Amino acid sequence: SQQGEEDPQALSIQEGENATMNCSYKTSINNLQWYRQNSGRGLVHLILIRSNEREKHSGRLRVTLDTSKKSSSLLITASRAADTASYFCATDAVLSWGKLQFGAGTQVVVTP
Amino acid sequence: NAGVTQTPKFQVLKTGQSMTLQCAQDMNHEYMSWYRQDPGMGLRLIHYSVGAGITDQGEVPNGYNVSRSTTEDFPLRLLSAAPSQTSVYFCASSLRGDTQYFGPGTRLTVL
Repeated sequence: SQQGEEDPQALSIQEGENATMNCSYKTSINNLQWYRQNSGRGLVHLILIRSNEREKHSGRLRVTLDTSKKSSSLLITASRAADTASYFCATDAVLSWGKLQFGAGTQVVVTP
Repeated sequence: NAGVTQTPKFQVLKTGQSMTLQCAQDMNHEYMSWYRQDPGMGLRLIHYSVGAGITDQGEVPNGYNVSRSTTEDFPLRLLSAAPSQTSVYFCASSLRGDTQYFGPGTRLTVL
């Protein structure tokens, strides 16, 4: 079973627009991590947010975490064609250190 | 640092053959994991290790064996390959509670 569920499954936007994707999970977590995967390539780590944090920023990325709703969101501002990729959230559940559970991902297409 | 390395990058097997996927990391991470990714899906955990000599099963362990004799290496063995094991395999490592770093993956096809 997959703990994280991303929404939407697919997102198509134009360059310069913002992209927002959401992740919901089922059990209490130590942290939640967001990854990017370009087609046929490996996973690139974007941001880790711990259970006691509510928001983190990294460049054009903003991640929020609401542990009461068991949800997280990833915002990419001023998107570029190079942001075209699949984005995954992965949860590190309490009492399961290191056993990441991934959602099915959000496929983002940014057109020039 | 090379990070997490995996070999081979590609492999084709016939049903019933066995093979070992290699994974190594040079970051002195105690946690190492193997995941598989099937088309259109996220990654699923096969096996993981919290240190040399300690391994445990993940979500989809059947048909795979692991051992961890050193901190650096965590090989994944396919005992008798089946078409259902056609997938992309990723190895990852981390410190406890920290970012997991992934290798480039091995694309395996079982005919």
